Amino acid sequence: GAGVSQSPSNKVTEKGKDVELRCDPISGHTALYWYRQSLGQGLEFLIYFQGNSAPDKSGLPSDRFSAERTGGSVSTLTIQRTQQEDSAVYLCASSFAGTGAPRTEAFFGQGTRLTVV
Amino acid sequence: KNQVEQSPQSLIILEGKNCTLQCNYTVSPFSNLRWYKQDTGRGPVSLTIMTFSENTKSNGRYTATLDADTKQSSLHITASQLSDSASYICVVNPNQAGTALIFGKGTTLSVSS
Repeated sequence: GAGVSQSPSNKVTEKGKDVELRCDPISGHTALYWYRQSLGQGLEFLIYFQGNSAPDKSGLPSDRFSAERTGGSVSTLTIQRTQQEDSAVYLCASSFAGTGAPRTEAFFGQGTRLTVV
Repeated sequence: KNQVEQSPQSLIILEGKNCTLQCNYTVSPFSNLRWYKQDTGRGPVSLTIMTFSENTKSNGRYTATLDADTKQSSLHITASQLSDSASYICVVNPNQAGTALIFGKGTTLSVSS
């Protein structure tokens, strides 16, 4: 696609339910990132994919959070047994190569606004 | 440990004034550094990029500087406008394949009339 696409754009869920957030990166981008942004806060790194593998998942806040990427393309971020503190905007970004490429630019999606009630 | 620190965390200025945002990093080896602008409710968008050999880069009223020796970058905004109100994020690209881009937490700028 023309840009990074995230779905849904908004999600309201009840505490304790599971949610799945989807990210469609730009075609050909091998690197994919998930970030979380709480109200008025900066970006919080969650996980980084290079192809289908995740060399850095150090930012996942708990074992309720998991992510996968298939076919080197679409990624899903799953939050199990959601809590109110999970409410945030979840941003996905993709780039060529990840690093080493001199002009690597990360392109961001519009984000998924998750509200846990 | 590779880190990117930005300051201040937030800033309020009057329309028409100038301001400077700071980014310090400990990433090594280093490939390039980008500044992103994030408008409210939208994803971040790249403003400027500098490789280790570049000292300054301008994009309209935005001027970024880089000192690779001290590992510091700044983003200077001239004659601020209300539309400059946003978060500004510094992102460092390590020169190491398979290593993630390193994002700062951003500076939130509010321009008031």
